[in-house]
Amino acid sequence: DGGITQSPKYLFRKEGQNVTLSCEQNLNHDAMYWYRQDPGQGLRLIYYSQIVNDFQKGDIAEGYSVSREKKESFPLTVTSAQKNPTAFYLCASSIARASHSYEQYFGPGTRLTVT
Amino acid sequence: AQSVTQLDSQVPVFEEAPVELRCNYSSSVSVYLFWYVQYPNQGLQLLLKYLSGSTLVKGINGFEAEFNKSQTSFHLRKPSVHISDTAEYFCAVMKTSYDKVIFGPGTSLSVIP
Repeated sequence: DGGITQSPKYLFRKEGQNVTLSCEQNLNHDAMYWYRQDPGQGLRLIYYSQIVNDFQKGDIAEGYSVSREKKESFPLTVTSAQKNPTAFYLCASSIARASHSYEQYFGPGTRLTVT
Repeated sequence: AQSVTQLDSQVPVFEEAPVELRCNYSSSVSVYLFWYVQYPNQGLQLLLKYLSGSTLVKGINGFEAEFNKSQTSFHLRKPSVHISDTAEYFCAVMKTSYDKVIFGPGTSLSVIP
């Protein structure tokens, strides 16, 4: 079955530690996205990538970093510079714009708790 | 800048009753519109989308939405809800010339038996 895998589902870290969230897709999608979800705020875009080896900052990129070395993988690192990292993180992917689809496919999410 | 408003943060409704979840957006340019559903502790799933053509769009699970350009609205409706429809619903907007999707804050639908 094609889809998006995020691991782990729950992640606990101590304040001051960097942590990397995994996102893998086997849909052969060109674009990938990272969102942060907080209660009552909807989804906010952290980073996105339209093609391998290229990515752009979203609306709340401070304190986060990403890489896109392979088409199927888009890991997100939450650094110690992120002031309030505890949240639910969602990875998504979509086919290239040329397909005129525009739908995003989401992974199951990773709930990060930093204490 | 674009924004998406979902006026109702929580909507309780009895089973088999109709429901409407409201979505309004602000944009001076052409947009694509989406409704996504999120079940507890899961990712989002597309319910339906409007790209062009007929303003009445039908989606999965019996949901439909109507695009109203003059009122900049894209309300979601279902004539008869089921317990399994209990979830968070997100309206989203994307400029036709841009790559980013803007999500609304969500509406929590609770179906009461």
